[in-house]
Amino acid sequence: QSALTQPASVSGSPGQSITISCTGTSSDVGGYNYVSWYQQYPGKAPKLMISDVSNRPSWVPNRFSGSKSGNTASLTISGLQAEDEADYYCCSFTGSTIRYVFGTGTKVTVL
Amino acid sequence: EVQLVESGGGLVQPGGSLRLSCAASGFSFSSSAMGWVRQAPGKGLEWVSLINAGNTYYTDSVKGRFTLSRDNSKNTLHLQMNSLRAEDTAVYYCAKFGNYCFDSWGQGTLVTVSS
Repeated sequence: QSALTQPASVSGSPGQSITISCTGTSSDVGGYNYVSWYQQYPGKAPKLMISDVSNRPSWVPNRFSGSKSGNTASLTISGLQAEDEADYYCCSFTGSTIRYVFGTGTKVTVL
Repeated sequence: EVQLVESGGGLVQPGGSLRLSCAASGFSFSSSAMGWVRQAPGKGLEWVSLINAGNTYYTDSVKGRFTLSRDNSKNTLHLQMNSLRAEDTAVYYCAKFGNYCFDSWGQGTLVTVSS
């Protein structure tokens, strides 16, 4: 099972909006509405930001939103803030046997 | 508050074994699915294994070498890792699993496989 494809890096200025893509196949992203997104600071554990494509846990600011079209899921950060500078990973349920696949990861830089 | 504390990591020679543990608190452990995710140095996240009430699941690269188990009486998750390889070197994160995602994570424990 290959990792989902994400851009290596995305950058934006404070206040701007950025979107991170996560491309898979019809066996994972495209086949199920079970895409989640995680934020990870260097040396720290990941933190859940989005579940089920677009559901935001209570601890996540509403600046973060998720969506999906076909085999590609997206995470959008609106009103970018300095604290959003981190690595972001998508994850999808996949296949007929229960398993999960993560994306390659995207480093977000706030200019 | 959910707390997950991993232990058992360390340096092991290729072909050796290690047993990771994850002590859980702050939620109903016995009714929760749990899993492990690893991250090789400087690399991305990789799902390793998952256990729910009755079944365990593994990524292909660890099948037959790793065994995931749980002790609900002690709120503890265990990952027995045998026949370790250099490519198993990573930080191993214990995570609570719910609604098709990993909603809480431990701080991680480093496993280094090297001679």
